[in-house]
Amino acid sequence: DIVMTQSPDSLAVSLGERATINCKSSQSVLYSSNNKNYLAWYQQKPGQPPKLLIYWASTRESGVPDRFSGSGSGTDFTLTISSLQAEDVAVYYCQQYYGTPFFFGQGTKLEIK
Amino acid sequence: QLQLQESGPGLVKPSETLSLTCTVSGGSISSSTYYWGWIRQPPGKGLEWIASIYYSGSTYYNPSLRGRVTISVDTSKNQFSLKLSSVTAADTAVYYCARLPSDSGSWLPLDIWGQGTMVTVSS
Repeated sequence: DIVMTQSPDSLAVSLGERATINCKSSQSVLYSSNNKNYLAWYQQKPGQPPKLLIYWASTRESGVPDRFSGSGSGTDFTLTISSLQAEDVAVYYCQQYYGTPFFFGQGTKLEIK
Repeated sequence: QLQLQESGPGLVKPSETLSLTCTVSGGSISSSTYYWGWIRQPPGKGLEWIASIYYSGSTYYNPSLRGRVTISVDTSKNQFSLKLSSVTAADTAVYYCARLPSDSGSWLPLDIWGQGTMVTVSS
């Protein structure tokens, strides 16, 4: 099983500042045949289902603001929000889709400082 | 646009079977490029993938729940369903259904989610 671990568990950032969330997988999620990392990021606001933000570790889903970016490869990944907006307050999850069982990270709660 | 809607009892007694249905609208469940799945989230906690199914009936299960979980599909109704047996309080959660794209045998992330339905296990 490929287990995901996020850090930190919670984060408080000032409006307009950068927010960085880390995700580590217990095994590489880089598939050598296509050189793609099977890693996604989701945003979940209270009372709502998760929303897909980023896949292939760095590809933004359609309609996602470009202040959201993903980076990393292999086992270490980062979600960056370049300039935090009030509407970005949420819990963020990483997920590996390299293989079943699909695992999510435990989540990072992002708040305004 | 494609929408998913969960339905089922909000309260289940311990040791009984939880049964939920996800209705897909705005698209066909029989599309060759998608699996369909269930994910749950206990109150205040993180996300747990439960199972996924293809329209042909091919299934994948989370081993942590295997033996208690059955996922099925009804293409005539454009629905798929979840049954979880011998439930305990630990199965109390919001249950989501979601679409899981697949491309040439390779997975893609869960891209469309239902709003979720809260299921409480209590006597």
